Amino acid sequence: ILNVEQSPQSLHVQEGDSTNFTCSFPSSNFYALHWYRWETAKSPEALFVMTLNGDEKKKGRISATLNTKEGYSYLYIKGSQPEDSATYLCAFIRGGADGLTFGKGTHLIIQP
Amino acid sequence: EAGVTQSPTHLIKTRGQQATLRCSPISGHTSVYWYQQALGLGLQFLLWYDEGEERNRGNFPPRFSGRQFPNYSSELNVNALELEDSALYLCASSRSGRDTQPQHFGDGTRLSIL
Repeated sequence: ILNVEQSPQSLHVQEGDSTNFTCSFPSSNFYALHWYRWETAKSPEALFVMTLNGDEKKKGRISATLNTKEGYSYLYIKGSQPEDSATYLCAFIRGGADGLTFGKGTHLIIQP
Repeated sequence: EAGVTQSPTHLIKTRGQQATLRCSPISGHTSVYWYQQALGLGLQFLLWYDEGEERNRGNFPPRFSGRQFPNYSSELNVNALELEDSALYLCASSRSGRDTQPQHFGDGTRLSIL
């Protein structure tokens, strides 16, 4: 059974502050790591797909890094805005034909 | 472009019955994935279809099954429903069967078992 851990479970951040959270996954037989944002009453939205050790991806104020050797990825949000409030999910896939294994997510609340 | 569509939005069944959930992928996407989110748990991978074939399934009993049609739409069937099958079922699609492509999700079907 693959273990994908996300921390913290929930996070309250003041509007304008920057924040980051972690996704940990098995370091062996890595294939890809996905990040998704899931807003209440909407469907999950893809943020990044990362495949290479040392990869850094950026989309507006959101960026992510990947360390496959130690099995973690960080998601950063710069200058948090109320619309960033959502659950952020990471999902790991190992080599082979497995489906995505999701973490339970980090629930981010931006306080005005 | 139209997104992934799922039907029905809500489905209420009793124990022992059978449920059918439907999913239409984004045009041009050949892969369809099914996930279950039960209360208190993360998204659990159920099934993956690509080009009409079942490519992989998660750790679920055989009473969870499905198929993919020639137009790439998909059905998820759950037989002999049990109370613990109550969950949100999400369908996702992607351009190819390789997992370096992002998945695009539908709004889900909320299945309630009485």
